[in-house]
Amino acid sequence: QQQVKQSPQSLIVQKGGISIINCAYENTAFDYFPWYQQFPGKGPALLIAIRPDVSEKKEGRFTISFNKSAKQFSLHIMDSQPGDSATYFCAASKSSYKLIFGSGTRLLVRP
Amino acid sequence: DGGITQSPKYLFRKEGQNVTLSCEQNLNHDAMYWYRQDPGQGLRLIYYSQIVNDFQKGDIAEGYSVSREKKESFPLTVTSAQKNPTAFYLCASSIGLAGAGTDTQYFGPGTRLTVL
Repeated sequence: QQQVKQSPQSLIVQKGGISIINCAYENTAFDYFPWYQQFPGKGPALLIAIRPDVSEKKEGRFTISFNKSAKQFSLHIMDSQPGDSATYFCAASKSSYKLIFGSGTRLLVRP
Repeated sequence: DGGITQSPKYLFRKEGQNVTLSCEQNLNHDAMYWYRQDPGQGLRLIYYSQIVNDFQKGDIAEGYSVSREKKESFPLTVTSAQKNPTAFYLCASSIGLAGAGTDTQYFGPGTRLTVL
């Protein structure tokens, strides 16, 4: 019930394409769903986050889509750029201090 | 500049030795966390602290210890009891109060520990 399952494990996209990373959760009490971006040798940084009262949130080229009934949420990166190449983690929490992280997706955007 | 600092960036330890990783934040956050990151496994919570002089075990606390004597500091000791300590260790903090917008965790740059 505490798991967050993330897929795919790795993703290769051409420059200008759309990158899509998916996460699924079981615990319906989760009410906060952030995405973190991590570059090699660095700590993760918050990219975008959503709460279950909305189905979509967009910030620049990054969009979270949230499907409460399916207990799934996804990150879409539009017009993917080589600089977006990084590892992306989804996470979930239930208004507590503990974030449950997915296993990560390594994204490579080819020029 | 507000942020989280971790030191050292790289750390080498011989088997059987305890080692302490430093984490300092000047964000005035109440909550602090330690995570371990291994390839392909995401981030796993070791310990967390919601307030000074209080801390809780996370999912993989065995072989680790922490202290929280000051709000800005949350050092992690990797003891000789930790069977496989080679990993990337990340410290994080958050505002700490329950409610909207306070769940955001901010991460430090990490310490890579290698046991020789």
